[in-house]
Amino acid sequence: SQKIEQNSEALNIQEGKTATLTCNYTNYSPAYLQWYRQDPGRGPVFLLLIRENEKEKRKERLKVTFDTTLKQSLFHITASQPADSATYLCALPGRAGGFKTIFGAGTRLFVKA
Amino acid sequence: GAVVSQHPSRVICKSGTSVKIECRSLDFQATTMFWYRQFPKQSLMLMATSNEGSKATYEQGVEKDKFLINHASLTLSTLTVTSAHPEDSSFYICSASGGRAAEQYFGPGTRLTVT
Repeated sequence: SQKIEQNSEALNIQEGKTATLTCNYTNYSPAYLQWYRQDPGRGPVFLLLIRENEKEKRKERLKVTFDTTLKQSLFHITASQPADSATYLCALPGRAGGFKTIFGAGTRLFVKA
Repeated sequence: GAVVSQHPSRVICKSGTSVKIECRSLDFQATTMFWYRQFPKQSLMLMATSNEGSKATYEQGVEKDKFLINHASLTLSTLTVTSAHPEDSSFYICSASGGRAAEQYFGPGTRLTVT
């Protein structure tokens, strides 16, 4: 079955540094991959989508890479700020297609001032 | 971006009672809505997918008679947790799609506590 792995340990970094989060997946070759931000007690907020034919995608201070050979996506936040502290979720479309989305458990990021 | 609301944001109910949660797409027509459940420090688990005017499709292991889903219009879906038990206490989140599989807009979630 499809499996998404994100580092369950929280990532603590200093303000101004680059945060890098990892998403690995198995048993699947998705057409795209998404990253979401989730704050405590809130629903996820869509950040970026990267397609299988794209190696890298950027949006402001965010950068996502997608290595279909390694079955891995990296999510970078440059010049991190305390307001970036949240849980970041990786998501893939379901293997069967349609509208189903499979989420990773997320990685909690703490940015210290 | 598109806005999805949920009501209530928090609800506490007694064991054995039923609770209804509403999910509304405020500025677009949602042909498909999804209901997720999330336990602390775990990923979102899809419970069911509903298309306007048709019966919901439930994921394996989700009891359709316990979690009643109605998607009566293009802007409203409801989830009713019937005969709630403490183990149903969780964070319930809906999302809505206007037709493109990759685009889902999430509601703010509903924290259900069953005592």
